[in-house]
Amino acid sequence: SQQGEEDPQALSIQEGENATMNCSYKTSINNLQWYRQNSGRGLVHLILIRSNEREKHSGRLRVTLDTSKKSSSLLITASRAADTASYFCATGGNNRLAFGKGNQVVVIP
Amino acid sequence: EPEVTQTPSHQVTQMGQEVILRCVPISNHLYFYWYRQILGQKVEFLVSFYNNEISEKSEIFDDQFSVERPDGSNFTLKIRSTKLEDSAMYFCASTLLQGTPQAFFGQGTRLTVV
Repeated sequence: SQQGEEDPQALSIQEGENATMNCSYKTSINNLQWYRQNSGRGLVHLILIRSNEREKHSGRLRVTLDTSKKSSSLLITASRAADTASYFCATGGNNRLAFGKGNQVVVIP
Repeated sequence: EPEVTQTPSHQVTQMGQEVILRCVPISNHLYFYWYRQILGQKVEFLVSFYNNEISEKSEIFDDQFSVERPDGSNFTLKIRSTKLEDSAMYFCASTLLQGTPQAFFGQGTRLTVV
């Protein structure tokens, strides 16, 4: 089954800096999504990138997808304290999503 | 903005007891899901549900688990004879259509089995 796997890193950055996190997966995909989870809360969909896209922007988010390397990155620009959360990539669709372990990002005001 | 709601937010139960986790998906959505997240681990797919039957289930979703849509709004996950290792956050999600990859998640129910 498809599976997203983030680099198991915890990021601690200053407000205003950029945060980058990566995700790799194992099988071919139709799309890849990124979700955010604030502490003890549910998952919030951030952005979806399709397999025929290489880059996508949404506000301060930039997602790239390299299907040849089976990897994706999420960049948050000009980070804010409210961006403090765990970020998950997910692959799949239709009946199920496969999530990675998540990257914890702490933005220090 | 429509949202998926889950109750209770936290449930503590004795090992061996049965629990029912409740979810109200977004009203016009047709596909419903349960996921769980053991503390510090990945979010794992449990089951998907459409047209009053299970569409797909993972290897985690064994005979201990069942799902039901008892009325037009609720979607429940029943765990029979709970075990310590069932302690986790359980998330309900819904999508409008099959093949719509973006899922809308509830806030989760934290289940603690003691």
